[in-house]
Amino acid sequence: DAMVIQNPRYQVTQFGKPVTLSCSQTLNHNVMYWYQQKSSQAPKLLFHYYDKDFNNEADTPDNFQSRRPNTSFCFLDIRSPGLGDAAMYLCATSRYARGRNTEAFFGQGTRLTVV
Amino acid sequence: AQKVTQAQTEISVVEKEDVTLDCVYETRDTTYYLFWYKQPPSGELVFLIRRNSFDEQNEISGRYSWNFQKSTSSFNFTITASQVVDSAVYFCALRMDTGNQFYFGTGTSLTVIP
Repeated sequence: DAMVIQNPRYQVTQFGKPVTLSCSQTLNHNVMYWYQQKSSQAPKLLFHYYDKDFNNEADTPDNFQSRRPNTSFCFLDIRSPGLGDAAMYLCATSRYARGRNTEAFFGQGTRLTVV
Repeated sequence: AQKVTQAQTEISVVEKEDVTLDCVYETRDTTYYLFWYKQPPSGELVFLIRRNSFDEQNEISGRYSWNFQKSTSSFNFTITASQVVDSAVYFCALRMDTGNQFYFGTGTSLTVIP
């Protein structure tokens, strides 16, 4: 059974039209991440939550926002998508506990197309 | 600062050959974790292995084996008798015991030719 679920798998949005990607987890992990991955590149961390604490990467554009209403769900909002935001968006979870950190578990990703 | 380097961008091998993917990392922390992930064309990152910094024992799982050497800051991954299904991009990653971030290398694209 899938443990990190992303919806939708494919999303087409218009230039400038707000879009929301969703992620849910059944692992009860305290950390959730959003990564952006462009073709032939490594995943790039946009931000992550440690419980309710939001941690934004310094180079993440203001156009990207996130919400985590509870442990299980996390959303990525792109307020005004540009052509350069077309990418695969990966949600991941992990447990943080010093001395017992886990690996990250990834969802299947949402491939975003901007037209 | 933390950094992961995968110097091999692309590798092609013929089926049944052995192949080693290199990973070199940098950190000043004494406790950290190393990982390998596989990303097939479908896009999902699949976890393969985790290694703790205090455990230098090498590991073998079927056709996969991992060689962790702290002295050279390397965590290399070997596939024995490669198969077409092994074709994917492989990422090495690093995580500190004190933090939540995963530092990914740039990945190695492996193509296994039938």
